[in-house]
Amino acid sequence: AQSVAQPEDQVNVAEGNPLTVKCTYSVSGNPYLFWYVQYPNRGLQFLLKYITGDNLVKGSYGFEAEFNKSQTSFHLKKPSALVSDSALYFCAVRDIPDKLIFGTGTRLQVFP
Amino acid sequence: GAVVSQHPSWVICKSGTSVKIECRSLDFQATTMFWYRQFPKQSLMLMATSNEGSKATYEQGVEKDKFLINHASLTLSTLTVTSAHPEDSSFYICSARDPDFSSYNSPLHFGNGTRLTVT
Repeated sequence: AQSVAQPEDQVNVAEGNPLTVKCTYSVSGNPYLFWYVQYPNRGLQFLLKYITGDNLVKGSYGFEAEFNKSQTSFHLKKPSALVSDSALYFCAVRDIPDKLIFGTGTRLQVFP
Repeated sequence: GAVVSQHPSWVICKSGTSVKIECRSLDFQATTMFWYRQFPKQSLMLMATSNEGSKATYEQGVEKDKFLINHASLTLSTLTVTSAHPEDSSFYICSARDPDFSSYNSPLHFGNGTRLTVT
């Protein structure tokens, strides 16, 4: 079965500094990976996805993610964090036939 | 972009009563919708896949008689929590696939969720 792991429950970063939220995956076959963000008491918003092609994927709100096949990782990154980026971030992988399996989430806290 | 509307955003009900949650796709048709449950400080658990015009597909361990799903039209899916108990208190979120993409790899659009509290 497909799965993703987010090893950090929380990531703290100062505003203006680069941020990284980690995700590793375990799949049989080609991985189809996604990042979503959730603000308090809201649903999830799609940030970006990797299906095939360039290992660096650019998404919404200045976020990007790097697909690394050898390390089975799909870390979310942003060059300069904003306080408004503080939220809960989920990595997800597509499972057969048509559903997403989510990681446990990482809370990002950006301090001013 | 595609919008998924979920109603109500929060509901409090007494133990033993039933609660219906609606999920609507605005301005697009969704033949498939997904219902998730999120516990505090935990990930989303897929409960079931709602298919328009046919029976929902439930994930293992989800009681289909307790969580009734109806997808009677291309824009509406409902989740009814029957005979609710305090342990059913949770955050329920629905989602639908982006209509601009035809593949299974298209992103999901999520409703804003429903916080259910059973007293």
